[in-house]
Amino acid sequence: EDQVTQSPEALRLQEGESSSLNCSYTVSGLRGLFWYRQDPGKGPEFLFTLYSAGEEKEKERLKATLTKKESFLHITAPKPEDSATYLCAVPRGGGKLIFGQGTELSVKP
Amino acid sequence: GAGVSQSPSNKVTEKGKDVELRCDPISGHTALYWYRQSLGQGLEFLIYFQGNSAPDKSGLPSDRFSAERTGGSVSTLTIQRTQQEDSAVYLCASSLVVYEQYFGPGTRLTVT
Repeated sequence: EDQVTQSPEALRLQEGESSSLNCSYTVSGLRGLFWYRQDPGKGPEFLFTLYSAGEEKEKERLKATLTKKESFLHITAPKPEDSATYLCAVPRGGGKLIFGQGTELSVKP
Repeated sequence: GAGVSQSPSNKVTEKGKDVELRCDPISGHTALYWYRQSLGQGLEFLIYFQGNSAPDKSGLPSDRFSAERTGGSVSTLTIQRTQQEDSAVYLCASSLVVYEQYFGPGTRLTVT
């Protein structure tokens, strides 16, 4: 069965303290991995798509990487405005995305 | 440009009543999706529309749930005879590129 697992469930960082979030998956025939950011009371906001192992994408302080078994979202020198829940998802055919439970990131000034 | 919009933003209903939730996708997006997000749960896929093709209804939890998309644009998710376990945030998304989904703000449904 296709599964997506994110860790840690919650992460507290001080402003400027770099770290990484993990998304591991078990799917047959990966057709991409997607990262989203979700702020409280809002819908998820699309961040990145990664299609093949070794691929990297960057946006401001965020960098997403992909291996054959997992993806990392690296956050460099985070700021309080980076606080949100970060979700990863994989496709399961027919337009359906399977989401992980998310990592709730809190960045304190 | 305008993003995905959903209405109402909040809906409180009594158990057993029917509710309709509306989604206006991004103009030009051919695909539309409905998800459900319950407290402490991840996003749960409900249904997917692509152009004029028959929708993928594989995620609908029961026959009390139905959805339609009129004119390839606006979609309505209907829940009949609501139950307390239907309480959740219902999210709509649309996309031009398959899987790169852009979400609306959601409708928070509370069944009392």
